[in-house]
Amino acid sequence: DAGVIQSPRHEVTEMGQEVTLRCKPISGHDYLFWYRQTMMRGLELLIYFNNNVPIDDSGMPEDRFSAKMPNASFSTLKIQPSEPRDSAVYFCASRETGNTEAFFGQGTRLTVV
Amino acid sequence: AQRVTQPEKLLSVFKGAPVELKCNYSYSGSPELFWYVQYSRQRLQLLLRHISRESIKGFTADLNKGETSFHLKKPFAQEEDSAMYYCALRGGSSGSARQLTFGSGTQLTVLP
Repeated sequence: DAGVIQSPRHEVTEMGQEVTLRCKPISGHDYLFWYRQTMMRGLELLIYFNNNVPIDDSGMPEDRFSAKMPNASFSTLKIQPSEPRDSAVYFCASRETGNTEAFFGQGTRLTVV
Repeated sequence: AQRVTQPEKLLSVFKGAPVELKCNYSYSGSPELFWYVQYSRQRLQLLLRHISRESIKGFTADLNKGETSFHLKKPFAQEEDSAMYYCALRGGSSGSARQLTFGSGTQLTVLP
């Protein structure tokens, strides 16, 4: 397994544009997490899914952020409209029930100018 | 609420010197504690967990419930240990508390 795969690796966009980040979890993992990493706040949990169902989205900063998981092998995190303060590295992670270890993707570095 | 505090954003030590990365947590029950590491341009990965009581790459961490701490230690730092280290907690109750809460991270630099 190639691990958790995120795309794109880097994204530069203008303020006001829509941004979509993508994640493919490890096959068989039933939990999927979206984290945001910044220098000031470290790693923050934005939202997580269990069996494709959003369980807790209390970490999503604003209504501009939305996440979906249409099937077990794909999830998206969308920001619309994007703002410069959204600039960060966004990580996707997955794990399977009964295993405490979460496996992370390589992240998407988002820059909003 | 569960919370993880890493008081040092940056830590520099010389090669061969001992290193300790501090982590304190706040949780009313019995937590699971982890250390994750992120080397330059690599993905975040699990370093060790307190349940395993293991030593990985020379690092150890002991859960001190009295002091609510889980400091990461290594007696002799190596240059390849330079990385970002995150302490994480997983609570014992249901729902989102069962998920990982991360500290803000400590960037360790081991100088030659």
